[in-house]
Amino acid sequence: LAKTTQPISMDSYEGQEVNITCSHNNIATNDYITWYQQFPSQGPRFIIQGYKTKVTNEVASLFIPADRKSSTLSLPRVSLSDTAVYYCLVGGPQTGANNLFFGTGTRLTVIP
Amino acid sequence: EAQVTQNPRYLITVTGKKLTVTCSQNMNHEYMSWYRQDPGLGLRQIYYSMNVEVTDKGDVPEGYKVSRKEKRNFPLILESPSPNQTSLYFCASSTFQQGAYNSPLHFGNGTRLTVT
Repeated sequence: LAKTTQPISMDSYEGQEVNITCSHNNIATNDYITWYQQFPSQGPRFIIQGYKTKVTNEVASLFIPADRKSSTLSLPRVSLSDTAVYYCLVGGPQTGANNLFFGTGTRLTVIP
Repeated sequence: EAQVTQNPRYLITVTGKKLTVTCSQNMNHEYMSWYRQDPGLGLRQIYYSMNVEVTDKGDVPEGYKVSRKEKRNFPLILESPSPNQTSLYFCASSTFQQGAYNSPLHFGNGTRLTVT
């Protein structure tokens, strides 16, 4: 089971770049790393996904080192609306559909 | 609009009174799943389904039942609810076809259940 470990919470001021790191030491060869964002009383929402190196989209960047045992979600210039819980998820053919571990996520609070 | 729809959003019931939470998706996804979310415990998987008539237990299946008679629907059934099933429930779906477990999950907006 590819479990993940993330910081429980982080605070940041508006306009700063935020980096949230996730540890996944047991990641399997074919596993992908996916990040989700969850606002209060809403379901998690897909942000970004990657397999190795760096992935960037209009919302965030994902950095994955060569050993793939961790990953870092980078949110550029956060605003108050980025206050949410962020989940790192690891999964692939070897992990199985019943072993998608969400954990407790990282609660990001953006301060004015 | 592609979406996962759960009903009801809020439900208050009493111990032992059978209830069903419905989940429907319009994306023709093979994979559907139910999660419960509790403070300090994160999201935990209850049941999942890889396709019609194929269901299996997740991490916390006790006290729950599911069925998958049609591709789009995946109801969660509590035959005899108890107070420890008070929680926020989410349904999710994904393509996940042919072992493509990297496909993102699409979540509904949740059902907040209170059992007294």
